[in-house]
Amino acid sequence: DSGVTQTPKHLITATGQRVTLRCSPRSGDLSVYWYQQSLDQGLQFLIQYYNGEERAKGNILERFSAQQFPDLHSELNLSSLELGDSALYFCASSVADSTDTQYFGPGTRLTVL
Amino acid sequence: GESVGLHLPTLSVQEGDNSIINCAYSNSASDYFIWYKQESGKGPQFIIDIRSNMDKRQGQRVTVLLNKTVKHLSLQIAATQPGDSAVYFCAEREGEDDKIIFGKGTRLHILP
Repeated sequence: DSGVTQTPKHLITATGQRVTLRCSPRSGDLSVYWYQQSLDQGLQFLIQYYNGEERAKGNILERFSAQQFPDLHSELNLSSLELGDSALYFCASSVADSTDTQYFGPGTRLTVL
Repeated sequence: GESVGLHLPTLSVQEGDNSIINCAYSNSASDYFIWYKQESGKGPQFIIDIRSNMDKRQGQRVTVLLNKTVKHLSLQIAATQPGDSAVYFCAEREGEDDKIIFGKGTRLHILP
């Protein structure tokens, strides 16, 4: 158990819908990272937040957004969902920056029908 | 849940032998490298890391080698065990940017 929790574990929804994925980092970790893992793209970095502020941005679509709250939990919002958004979404946390070990959560499997 | 990456290269190793997993990275400005292990249905798990000012780093049963000249990273696992069966990813941090970029992954299959 990494100490990072993600909910829900599975999510099935339809095209055009909007979903919210939630992540609670390890106690004491200030940075939260979101990744997408799909069959054809591997593990793709989406975005990082550090202590409530956006720190780094990867290949995140404009339909996707994230935030980190004062209690340091984070949410990833995916809107206008397409079939191609079906993937595993992982959250990771680290103490501070990306040279600190990132601990990954168990992931949320999103299926868009 | 199943592992992702049906098109991953696979390395098959006899139990007890040493495994060497290779990775080529792309950015000469990358200053930090990590190896992750992902078992079926789980998130990636940190194994070992190395900074660009080092050539070699050893952990418990694992060694990472970094060759900056040819932008190559390798993970050596000594005395491979059934529990080592997983997908292994290398990752690099691109310079001062905090982005971690993951490689495609290699599936390690342990033969009895």
